[in-house]
Amino acid sequence: DIQMTQSPSSLSASVGDRVTIACRASQSISRYLNWYQQKPGKAPKLLMYDASTLQSGVPSRFSGSGSGTDFTLTISSLQPDDLATYYCQQSYSAYTFGQGTKVDIK
Amino acid sequence: QVQLVQSGAEVKKPGASVKVSCKASGYTFTRFYMHWVRQAPGQGLEWMGLINPIAGTTSYAQNFQGRVTMTRDTSTSTVYMELSSVRSDDTAVYFCARGGSSDWHVPQDYWGQGTLVTVSS
Repeated sequence: DIQMTQSPSSLSASVGDRVTIACRASQSISRYLNWYQQKPGKAPKLLMYDASTLQSGVPSRFSGSGSGTDFTLTISSLQPDDLATYYCQQSYSAYTFGQGTKVDIK
Repeated sequence: QVQLVQSGAEVKKPGASVKVSCKASGYTFTRFYMHWVRQAPGQGLEWMGLINPIAGTTSYAQNFQGRVTMTRDTSTSTVYMELSSVRSDDTAVYFCARGGSSDWHVPQDYWGQGTLVTVSS
């Protein structure tokens, strides 16, 4: 099975800060990497797929990059609405999620 | 608009089975895979498996092989997830989520509201 490791597990940043979340796969997954945002008590929401393609309706302050085993999700200017836990997911071989990164607003 | 509406919360005793439903609307039901993902309290997301609604074929995560069964009723655009021999660590919110139409690599773009399953003696 492919393992996904996210870092950090949590972070606290101020409104307007640039935030970066890393995700590493245990083997190459090409660009089959997706990002989800989950707010407390809600279902996950797809933000990004194929490593860097923004899902329709998602603000452009979100961006993704990477291929192979190393990927990043960047929020260019953190907003209060971005308070959530973010999960990466590989869809190269079945599906595996990272353990999540909780983003708090300072 | 695409909607996935799940059945209500369940409380089960250890060893019992639980069956959760997910009714789809707003799109052609048979065109898209349906996935099931669960989330234990305070924990991350765990993929359980998927069903191809047109053929009824399934693929299950290794952790759930032998305990999970996914089925569908095309006449009502509903998919079902049944988990047998439940134990306390199966306590979780169970989500259905729409996947791709023919490509396994496509992520899940629409999600149900989640169904809380509590296993307690």
